[in-house]
Amino acid sequence: NAGVTQTPKFRVLKTGQSMTLLCAQDMNHEYMYWYRQDPGMGLRLIHYSVGEGTTAKGEVPDGYNVSRLKKQNFLLGLESAAPSQTSVYFCASSYSTGWNSPLHFGNGTRLTVT
Amino acid sequence: RKEVEQDPGPFNVPEGATVAFNCTYSNSASQSFFWYRQDCRKEPKLLMSVYSSGNEDGRFTAQLNRASQYISLLIRDSKLSDSATYLCVVRGGSYIPTFGRGTSLIVHP
Repeated sequence: NAGVTQTPKFRVLKTGQSMTLLCAQDMNHEYMYWYRQDPGMGLRLIHYSVGEGTTAKGEVPDGYNVSRLKKQNFLLGLESAAPSQTSVYFCASSYSTGWNSPLHFGNGTRLTVT
Repeated sequence: RKEVEQDPGPFNVPEGATVAFNCTYSNSASQSFFWYRQDCRKEPKLLMSVYSSGNEDGRFTAQLNRASQYISLLIRDSKLSDSATYLCVVRGGSYIPTFGRGTSLIVHP
């Protein structure tokens, strides 16, 4: 049982380059989330999805786009990377929004933009 | 006031000590609460959900105080392996789980 899988694990980009981070879950979860984590800032929500074909902005959406074409996949895109997007990115999923439905996290993607 | 606040610490305790963390939240409509543990540069992992009546899992006890809008985590008989950052998560009426910035715990011999 893989749970939540993120690819790639590490990436170095030059300013202006683009990339897509992939999150895949095999738990049939409806809800999926992309967070970034920076030192001293905690986890901040970038975008989220409440089901296949839906996406919504979180706390820090600028510079990112997302798509949820299939229920099991949630893609995070950076169209033109900036050094401020150097961060650790975590994807998470949950079955519902209730007290008995915690978030399950992927291993993270460590992105450096030079 | 931030939505979810935690004392960043670090809490530096000897092995065997009892330590408690609090986490306050601002949205009185919040419905579900969790404690996560995060080791350095790793993903957060669920430690325990927090039930309205409080709950215990081995050496860990979680409590919810709705009147004062905080949750707490008590760790008894601390182990070296408990050293980590503890994140509280609060989910309100929306779909969005909000994380505190975490409390750092260091357990020393």
